[in-house]
Amino acid sequence: QAVLTQPSSLSASPGASASLTCTLRSGINVGSYRIYWYQQKPGSPPQYLLGFKSDSDKQHGSGVPSRFSGSKDASANAGILLISGLQSEDEADYYCMIWHINFWVFGGGTKLTVL
Amino acid sequence: QVQLVESGGGVVQPERSLRLSCAASGFTFSRYDLHWVRQAPGEGLEWVAHILSDGGDAYYAVSVKGRFTISRDNSQDTLYLQMNRLRGEDTAVYYCARGAVAGSESRTIDYWGQGTLVTVSS
Repeated sequence: QAVLTQPSSLSASPGASASLTCTLRSGINVGSYRIYWYQQKPGSPPQYLLGFKSDSDKQHGSGVPSRFSGSKDASANAGILLISGLQSEDEADYYCMIWHINFWVFGGGTKLTVL
Repeated sequence: QVQLVESGGGVVQPERSLRLSCAASGFTFSRYDLHWVRQAPGEGLEWVAHILSDGGDAYYAVSVKGRFTISRDNSQDTLYLQMNRLRGEDTAVYYCARGAVAGSESRTIDYWGQGTLVTVSS
């Protein structure tokens, strides 16, 4: 079972909100981890969006709009990237990442389609 | 502005070696941890290696441990990745990326280069 699991795709309409989930493997408690999120558009390197551990421990990447925010769903053992007011430019691949026992681990990515 | 520029990619035969370089600018190089992250064609991101700001310790993904070596020259603001015994599954775009500042509890990877393509093929 992968350490981090993301749905492969998600579609949402312009102006709506999208919640992208990153589920941690059973036995790895989301409450103990800072979840990092990245956006990647075709042909470009990933861009750091934000890191979220709790409401008192979070960080936004430089220049990242406040439409992007992080949260957790402890019952689902998952980190969440919330994108509000979706725009066509938000169409991209999104990756979550954690630092786990001296390793950095990425989720498989979610392709977000805005249509 | 932070800039990371990778070089050294290309086509290489299986079991041969290649060294990647990453020239950094726009920040105090010696204060930051650094990483290599790769992305196979059409696939997701895979962390490869990490080195501390002073070069004193390094960590590797299981898939490359024993074959790849990450190093840095803080006098030249340059990061390296020596790749030996290359395999077809090492074919990917290799990104140089900046990690956390020394002494920070953060484990973020915040700035990325444009990447350099390594193709392992006979």
